Parts: sequence; structure tokens; C-alpha cells
Amino acid sequence: KQEVTQIPAALSVPEGENLVLNCSFTDSAIYNLQWFRQDPGKGLTSLLLIQSSQREQTSGRLNASLDKSSGRSTLYIAASQPGDSATYLCAVPLAGGNNRKLIWGLGTSLAVNP
Amino acid sequence: GAGVSQSPSNKVTEKGKDVELRCDPISGHTALYWYRQSLGQGLEFLIYFQGNSAPDKSGLPSDRFSAERTGGSVSTLTIQRTQQEDSAVYLCASSLEYYTEAFFGQGTRLTVV
Repeated sequence: KQEVTQIPAALSVPEGENLVLNCSFTDSAIYNLQWFRQDPGKGLTSLLLIQSSQREQTSGRLNASLDKSSGRSTLYIAASQPGDSATYLCAVPLAGGNNRKLIWGLGTSLAVNP
Repeated sequence: GAGVSQSPSNKVTEKGKDVELRCDPISGHTALYWYRQSLGQGLEFLIYFQGNSAPDKSGLPSDRFSAERTGGSVSTLTIQRTQQEDSAVYLCASSLEYYTEAFFGQGTRLTVV
């Protein structure tokens, strides 16, 4: 059974720090992993999707890495800004069978302080 | 459209009434999901549509919940005889196919009073 865990649950840092958010999954047979951010009271914004064949994916100050064999992905945020404050979620699609859903972590709530 | 559109953005209803929530996916996306998010909780899967295939309804919490997707595009989630525990944000997402990038709408905040 696929389970996704995110550590830490919450993080508060001063502006300018480089950050690492962690996502782990129990079943390494994944097709891809997607990172999202959610602002309070809003929907989810897709940040990065990293395919199972990829080691990393970059978008601006964001870099996501994937290590399938160890069941881990990290989201690296460079030079954090107050506008980065949000909840960050990772998700993997359930593989195999007839069920079709994304399996979610509970998120890391990030506060970047000016 | 440019993104996934959900309406209404907010809905307050009395306990026992029926509500309909609408989702307009990104044009050309064959896959459509409904999730709900209760205050302080993770995302709960409700239902998945893929083209003309039978939907995956395994996440619907009770028979008061139903959803349809007409013409492979717009989807409507219906909750009958609403209860206070149905209060949550209902999120819709679409993707080209199942194993591709999912894009979410802004959600419908449902409050049952």
C-alpha cells in the first residue's frame, strides 16, 4: 500500500535561506511525483512534476530531486522569499489496479519571515 | 479555458438541502478528479473520470454523493441531503491522462449550517 510522508510538518525560516522539504513514499513503483503549493484558502498550484526516469527537475528557484530506490523526493527552494510562504504538498499516482487517484502527503507548512 | 474553473467559489446551504458543484476542466484533458479537503486535513479522494470509461467512485463517502461528467468535459458533483460534516473545500483537478501533470481549480468552499 502506497503511503506518502512529508517532513517537517512545519518550517519557519528567515528570508534568504535555502530550504529542503522532504517527501518519502513506501512503494518505489511510481510513475512520477508531483509537487504542489497551496496558499491559505486557495486551490493547489502545480510546481513541478518529476518522472520516474528523471533524477531532478528545475523551475526557477525550485529544484526537485527523485531517488526511487530509496523512496524519497526533495524540494529545494533557493534564496527563500516571504512570497514562498505556503503549504507544500507532494503526491504520487496510485500505480496498477483499477483505482485512479493521487496519494498525498499531509504537507509542509512553510513560513518565510522578512 | 486557461485553467480549471470551479463554481461557485463559496456556497452556504442549510442542512438537508441538495447542492451542485461544477467543474470546467482544461480543454482536451481526459482525466478529471474530485477531492475534498476538510479544515486542517489532507486531501480526500472522491471520484475520478477518464474519457468514456467507467468512473472510479471508490472515494465517495456515502450514497448521498454522486458525480457526472457530460460529454467528457464539464463535471458536476451533487451532494444530497447535506450534513454539517460535508462542510469542506471541494477541489477539482484535470490532466491530459492519468499519469500526467494534474492542475487544480480554486475550489468550492461548502458550508452547511
